[in-house]
Amino acid sequence: DQQVKQNSPSLSVQEGRISILNCDYTNSMFDYFLWYKKYPAEGPTFLISISSIKDKNEDGRFTVFLNKSAKHLSLHIVPSQPGDSAVYFCAASGDFGNEKLTFGTGTRLTIIP
Amino acid sequence: DVKVTQSSRYLVKRTGEKVFLECVQDMDHENMFWYRQDPGLGLRLIYFSYDVKMKEKGDIPEGYSVSREKKERFSLILESASTNQTSMYLCASSGTDRVKETQYFGPGTRLLVL
Repeated sequence: DQQVKQNSPSLSVQEGRISILNCDYTNSMFDYFLWYKKYPAEGPTFLISISSIKDKNEDGRFTVFLNKSAKHLSLHIVPSQPGDSAVYFCAASGDFGNEKLTFGTGTRLTIIP
Repeated sequence: DVKVTQSSRYLVKRTGEKVFLECVQDMDHENMFWYRQDPGLGLRLIYFSYDVKMKEKGDIPEGYSVSREKKERFSLILESASTNQTSMYLCASSGTDRVKETQYFGPGTRLLVL
């Protein structure tokens, strides 16, 4: 049972426009959410996170929005740059007494110059 | 700067071989994790460890075992490799504060089982 879902396997966006990546979760016990970025032949790197006590967190060009009632989070990248082309994974954790993360299936973002 | 290293970037093994994947981290992290990444399936947790000699099963432990004899080192073992274990294997480590510390990943080992 996929507790964290990214329903769009791929997304193409023109350079300079906004990229919006979406993620849905089913476990209401999740209270901390993260986005990771992965280039080919490299490990994922942490991008941005948000705690469930917030509904928005911003870091430069990256903003994560959390809608707890809808169990939905999104990552906005503006403006999109060619170097943003990568696979993006959302992940979630809860206060289960461990540091385990549950990852989504990933969205491949391609920025078109 | 956090460093997680994996012993090999690419491996080719035959069906039935015993395979060892090694991971070392230099941040004195308590937690270490092994994932596999497959197209359309994302990152799936195989095993994790909270401390030396401790291990917990993840979501897909079948066909794998692990060893953590030292805090900095976490090994993944495929006792008898099979073709469906062809995948990208990723090791990660983290500290004990799950909010302040994220998981840091190694570069991955791409394993091909023939």
